[in-house]
Amino acid sequence: DVKVTQSSRYLVKRTGEKVFLECVQDMDHENMFWYRQDPGLGLRLIYFSYDVKMKEKGDIPEGYSVSREKKERFSLILESASTNQTSMYLCASSSIVDRQAFFGQGTRLTVV
Amino acid sequence: GENVEQHPSTLSVQEGDSAVIKCTYSDSASNYFPWYKQELGKRPQLIIDIRSNVGEKKDQRIAVTLNKTAKHFSLHITETQPEDSAVYFCAARWGSQGNLIFGKGTKLSVKP
Repeated sequence: DVKVTQSSRYLVKRTGEKVFLECVQDMDHENMFWYRQDPGLGLRLIYFSYDVKMKEKGDIPEGYSVSREKKERFSLILESASTNQTSMYLCASSSIVDRQAFFGQGTRLTVV
Repeated sequence: GENVEQHPSTLSVQEGDSAVIKCTYSDSASNYFPWYKQELGKRPQLIIDIRSNVGEKKDQRIAVTLNKTAKHFSLHITETQPEDSAVYFCAARWGSQGNLIFGKGTKLSVKP
């Protein structure tokens, strides 16, 4: 079974804090994604990585950065958290062969 | 960039009826079209997918059709059951390293 694991289920952070969201997959997938999910807006792509140290901006990269130093781990960084970044964050991974994306359980981030 | 439009945003049907959700995409290079089901409080799970060299795919009560000329694809659920109630997302992807872009989702309610 493919496992995509996000480091936290719930997080509460203060405005201005630097926040790290971690995602690990155990299937040697090349591609990893970070999405943000908000009611009525669906899943919006923040960043995408197709290889170690490689990244591409998605639709809403402002205020976020990412890091992929190892193939299995993809980190999302909020440099200075703001209240409008309160959301559910979902990580996903997929192989370049069958392309099916598997999701992590999500991190509910609240910025106060 | 790629854009995926999904309709309707909400859909209510009686148990036993059929449900149809439609999506359109903007990039003609898109070649992979998955559908995800997300139950309340859970992560999205793939239910069916189709590649651009296929026009239709079925899996029991679920089917997906693809019209490449018109750049739209649809999810068909027959003989709906209350456990089909969830939010359904369509997505489109191009290449093996392309972004996976989602529609905004359809909340399906199946009334007993």
